[in-house]
Amino acid sequence: DAGVIQSPRHEVTEMGQEVTLRCKPISGHNSLFWYRQTMMRGLELLIYFNNNVPIDDSGMPEDRFSAKMPNASFSTLKIQPSEPRDSAVYFCASKSGEDNEQFFGPGTRLTVL
Amino acid sequence: SQQGEEDPQALSIQEGENATMNCSYKTSINNLQWYRQNSGRGLVHLILIRSNEREKHSGRLRVTLDTSKKSSSLLITASRAADTASYFCATDDGGATNKLIFGTGTLLAVQP
Repeated sequence: DAGVIQSPRHEVTEMGQEVTLRCKPISGHNSLFWYRQTMMRGLELLIYFNNNVPIDDSGMPEDRFSAKMPNASFSTLKIQPSEPRDSAVYFCASKSGEDNEQFFGPGTRLTVL
Repeated sequence: SQQGEEDPQALSIQEGENATMNCSYKTSINNLQWYRQNSGRGLVHLILIRSNEREKHSGRLRVTLDTSKKSSSLLITASRAADTASYFCATDDGGATNKLIFGTGTLLAVQP
């Protein structure tokens, strides 16, 4: 199994541009999580899905952020418009229903200039 | 918030020494997990301890949990340079959700 796959690995964009981050969870996992990691705030949960349905989006910072999971093998996190303070590493993680362990992807390092 | 606090924030030891990291949390939990993060990588699960357990071992790792003090410790014995990483505790929210709340992390440096 390839594990959780994220793309792109690095993204540099200018303020105001739309950014789309992508995640492919581990096959068979039915929960998917989006996290953001910064030095100042640590690792924050943004949103998570169970069986493709958003369950808790209370961590999404503002309306500029949106996430979708159109099917069990794909999710996107979109920032529109992006701002410099969105610069962070964004992680996607997945887990199966029976286990508590979450499996993390390698992350996307986003830099907004 | 539920976020765990970890101490120390940073720890530097020599290879072969033991490393102990501590985690405190705020509310009731079902279980507590420890994760490792190597620089530039995603987090990797190390060990899980349930709220009705007091101690658990996995290889060179030993985890304790004191629910009365809402605290946990991770001991790495006979450390190696490859153990250099950040270590995070993570707790659930005591309910039936899948949410994990991560601590602030301890940066461990093992000098060869």
